[in-house]
Amino acid sequence: GAVVSQHPSWVICKSGTSVKIECRSLDFQATTMFWYRQFPKQSLMLMATSNEGSKATYEQGVEKDKFLINHASLTLSTLTVTSAHPEDSSFYICSARDGRGVDTEAFFGQGTRLTVV
Amino acid sequence: RKEVEQDPGPFNVPEGATVAFNCTYSNSASQSFFWYRQDCRKEPKLLMSVYSSGNEDGRFTAQLNRASQYISLLIRDSKLSDSATYLCVVTARGGSYIPTFGRGTSLIVHP
Repeated sequence: GAVVSQHPSWVICKSGTSVKIECRSLDFQATTMFWYRQFPKQSLMLMATSNEGSKATYEQGVEKDKFLINHASLTLSTLTVTSAHPEDSSFYICSARDGRGVDTEAFFGQGTRLTVV
Repeated sequence: RKEVEQDPGPFNVPEGATVAFNCTYSNSASQSFFWYRQDCRKEPKLLMSVYSSGNEDGRFTAQLNRASQYISLLIRDSKLSDSATYLCVVTARGGSYIPTFGRGTSLIVHP
């Protein structure tokens, strides 16, 4: 099946620094990528949707200047957490799908566990 | 009302039991439905799609009821390895057909 590679799988950073998370679709063109965040014992919450070559659409309550998303190619999207704070510590997961179809599966990256100290 | 609702559980069942989960969705324009499985600290993985006619894959059966706006997942002959969180995912029309997740239902299968 299709593979989505997310990197890094875990990162620990100091408060105030920025962290970049990469999400790559390895064998299909991901016209649409989604970024989710999951706090312990909570559901996956959509942060933003990005379409290749256009600006990301952020969900209400998600600061676009803090969570920078770049989807410059059909196989790569990045999420940069700028000036990270301890409350940003969470499990971040990207998802990619071939947006040309409606009934298509969403494939997930392995997730990135971010800990801000 | 949340877009996709699930009973978080946990459902604690013995091996060999049959267990069923329901998931309700609020958007009547929802187009596609899936059940994903998520193990602790891992990414969700597709378990099965849910079709209007219902579908079965081994011990797993999924049903869709559009009139009542819910989907169900039935697991027969539960195995220890079935212990996980089961996520209901609904994709609605419009925009990029964004997958919306339920909170997940936790299943614990014990010996």
